[in-house]
Amino acid sequence: DAGVIQSPRHEVTEMGQEVTLRCKPISGHNSLFWYRQTMMRGLELLIYFNNNVPIDDSGMPEDRFSAKMPNASFSTLKIQPSEPRDSAVYFCASSFQSSGTYEQYFGPGTRLTVT
Amino acid sequence: QQQVKQSPQSLIVQKGGISIINCAYENTAFDYFPWYQQFPGKGPALLIAIRPDVSEKKEGRFTISFNKSAKQFSLHIMDSQPGDSATYFCAASKPGNTPLVFGKGTRLSVIA
Repeated sequence: DAGVIQSPRHEVTEMGQEVTLRCKPISGHNSLFWYRQTMMRGLELLIYFNNNVPIDDSGMPEDRFSAKMPNASFSTLKIQPSEPRDSAVYFCASSFQSSGTYEQYFGPGTRLTVT
Repeated sequence: QQQVKQSPQSLIVQKGGISIINCAYENTAFDYFPWYQQFPGKGPALLIAIRPDVSEKKEGRFTISFNKSAKQFSLHIMDSQPGDSATYFCAASKPGNTPLVFGKGTRLSVIA
């Protein structure tokens, strides 16, 4: 299994530009999570989907952030317009509920730098 | 409000020694407690996890101890090796496919 795939791995953009992060979950997994990691706040949830449906987006910092999951094998996280304070590492994770286990597997992350 | 508190922030252990990282949680609805290991430039990798119905779980050199009444759990790394040098995160989640709430992390350095 290829694991969770994220692209791009690194993104450098200027303030005000639109940024789109992409995630392909592990095949067969039915939940997908977007987390953000910063030195100040650690790892925090942005939004998660069950069976392609957004369940909780209370972690999305502002209306500038949006996420979609058009099908079971693809999700995007979009920031428009981007700001320097959005600089962080963004992780996608997926899981499959089986026999009461909820193991989440993380992708390699996208390091975003907004100048 | 920090729902999962982790300590220490950093830890230096001699090769062959025991590394101990502690976590405490607030929400009694949590029923799944995993530990993740993260190397620089990589995503967190699941190391070991426990549920509240057992007090201890061991996998190789890694052991989780769980104290439900105290709402605390800890990770013990036996015979610590330089390759164990990484950042370790404890986490907790409610039943079902729900988000993880993470501790702030512990940077472990194992020196020869």
